[in-house]
Amino acid sequence: NAGVTQTPKFQVLKTGQSMTLQCAQDMNHEYMSWYRQDPGMGLRLIHYSVGAGITDQGEVPNGYNVSRSTTEDFPLRLLSAAPSQTSVYFCASRRGRGSYNEQFFGPGTRLTVL
Amino acid sequence: GQQVMQIPQYQHVQEGEDFTTYCNSSTTLSNIQWYKQRPGGHPVFLIQLVKSGEVKKQKRLTFQFGEAKKNSSLHITATQTTDVGTYFCAAANAGGTSYGKLTFGQGTILTVHP
Repeated sequence: NAGVTQTPKFQVLKTGQSMTLQCAQDMNHEYMSWYRQDPGMGLRLIHYSVGAGITDQGEVPNGYNVSRSTTEDFPLRLLSAAPSQTSVYFCASRRGRGSYNEQFFGPGTRLTVL
Repeated sequence: GQQVMQIPQYQHVQEGEDFTTYCNSSTTLSNIQWYKQRPGGHPVFLIQLVKSGEVKKQKRLTFQFGEAKKNSSLHITATQTTDVGTYFCAAANAGGTSYGKLTFGQGTILTVHP
């Protein structure tokens, strides 16, 4: 099993550009989520999904879109990049819809917006 | 929304000293998880606490869940250089229909001096 994979590992964007961060898992997990990590602020939930076709907003959803067309994939779209979106982005997945299972994190994408 | 406060933000210790990080919530929790993130890495699940007053041990690590299920702690005895990293708690509110959303604390960055 590859677990949770993310691409790209590093990305530099100019303000106003759009891009998609890819996330895939091969564990047949129902729950997938995107977090951003900024110094001193821990991990903040951007969007999450409890299954194919079902997504919802987390704490900091503005400027990001998601979709879940398959169980395996959960891409995160930045519509018009801003310097405030410079961060490290982690995708995570876990079995089931409840909070009682461990989350598996991908290796992260380091994004810089100039 | 739910807030989870984690203290301290930083802790510097000499190898062999003990270390403790604390998480506090204003609301009753259903469960709390602990994760470790090595420098440059991604969060990795350590343990989950579910029951009031629960204590779990993993070698030199001791995890506690408060009687009121509003706070938790992670204690490391006799730290080693391999303990270096950021320790996060992640908590889920009791009740509600939040689809098991986990709120992460800000993390405690542990540095161990040999």
